[in-house]
Amino acid sequence: AQSVAQPEDQVNVAEGNPLTVKCTYSVSGNPYLFWYVQYPNRGLQFLLKYITGDNLVKGSYGFEAEFNKSQTSFHLKKPSALVSDSALYFCAVKIYNQGGKLIFGQGTELSVKP
Amino acid sequence: EAGVTQFPSHSVIEKGQTVTLRCDPISGHDNLYWYRRVMGKEIKFLLHFVKESKQDESGMPNNRFLAERTGGTYSTLKVQPAELEDSGVYFCASSQDGTGTSPLHFGNGTRLTVT
Repeated sequence: AQSVAQPEDQVNVAEGNPLTVKCTYSVSGNPYLFWYVQYPNRGLQFLLKYITGDNLVKGSYGFEAEFNKSQTSFHLKKPSALVSDSALYFCAVKIYNQGGKLIFGQGTELSVKP
Repeated sequence: EAGVTQFPSHSVIEKGQTVTLRCDPISGHDNLYWYRRVMGKEIKFLLHFVKESKQDESGMPNNRFLAERTGGTYSTLKVQPAELEDSGVYFCASSQDGTGTSPLHFGNGTRLTVT
């Protein structure tokens, strides 16, 4: 079965410190992987994606993610966290051979304190 | 360009009543998706339209849910009769292509509470 796991419900980071939000996946075939962010009372916003090519992908707001095929992971990272990064982060994977349908993880609440 | 808009933003109804959610996708986006997030769990796929046709409705929970997209523009999702477990946030998303390589554009969601 195809699935996405975000093992941490919440991540707490001090402003200025690096942050990592973890994601692992299980899919058939080559994965298409995505990160979305949800700010309070807003919809999900696209951050970045991995389709093919360089394993390190860069996205919006200074975020990046590294695709690791051997560990089936796609962790989201940022070198220096901002208070404004506090939000709910979702990892998602495209289901093989099913168009644009995505499977999402349960989300990780990121809290950045001053 | 205008984003994906959803109406209403909140809805509180009693068990057994009917509710209709509306989604207006980004103009020109043939692909429209409905997802929902229940009780803080993962966001789950409900269905996918390509223009006015249902491409995939494998995520629809049961026959109390009816989605339509007449004319291939806006879409509605009707729940009739609503049950307590239908409470959650219903998201609509659209994209230009249906291959999965383009990101989905999400609306702000409709928070449905069934009491």
